Amino acid sequence: DQQVKQNSPSLSVQEGRISILNCDYTNSMFDYFLWYKKYPAEGPTFLISISSIKDKNEDGRFTVFLNKSAKHLSLHIVPSQPGDSAVYFCAASAPGANNLFFGTGTRLTVIP
Amino acid sequence: DTEVTQTPKHLVMGMTNKKSLKCEQHMGHRAMYWYKQKAKKPPELMFVYSYEKLSINESVPSRFSPECPNSSLLNLHLHALQPEDSALYLCASSHIGLDRGNEQFFGPGTRLTVL
Repeated sequence: DQQVKQNSPSLSVQEGRISILNCDYTNSMFDYFLWYKKYPAEGPTFLISISSIKDKNEDGRFTVFLNKSAKHLSLHIVPSQPGDSAVYFCAASAPGANNLFFGTGTRLTVIP
Repeated sequence: DTEVTQTPKHLVMGMTNKKSLKCEQHMGHRAMYWYKQKAKKPPELMFVYSYEKLSINESVPSRFSPECPNSSLLNLHLHALQPEDSALYLCASSHIGLDRGNEQFFGPGTRLTVL
């Protein structure tokens, strides 16, 4: 039962353009959402998060948008850089719970 | 110090061996986690420790035995593993509390190969 889904396993974008990674969830109890970036053979690195009381959070080139009614969030990276090439996981948690529910990941390739 | 460290980085063991994975953090986090990650899959939660007590065991086989000696250390003892247990084992830590975000910080992982 995959409560967090990333339906695009891969995405290729030209350097300098915008990368948009999407994530959907089914559990309406989730109130905190995170994006992680992962290089091969390394642990995930926390990128950005958003609470359900917001619909947007921005940090430099990274912006996360949350649409609670659609149970959808997205990560925008602009401008995309070759070093952004990695697997991106979205994750969600419910109030009072420590555990995160991860999506299946999207492999982003930024083409120089 | 905003780092989670894990040792060893790589481990090869036979099915009859006993080994341990170690994890350490000095961020004052009171929740620590073990995850298992197979290639092209998301991290899969194994155990959660909150305030040094085991709070979640995701039906993990008893050949995996976690231990939390203190608030900074987390071990995973391995015994009689199977080849299908080969994976990247990730440790993570986070704060606990409803007023905090649940950002978990991950270590680099231990790449385990069971022969």
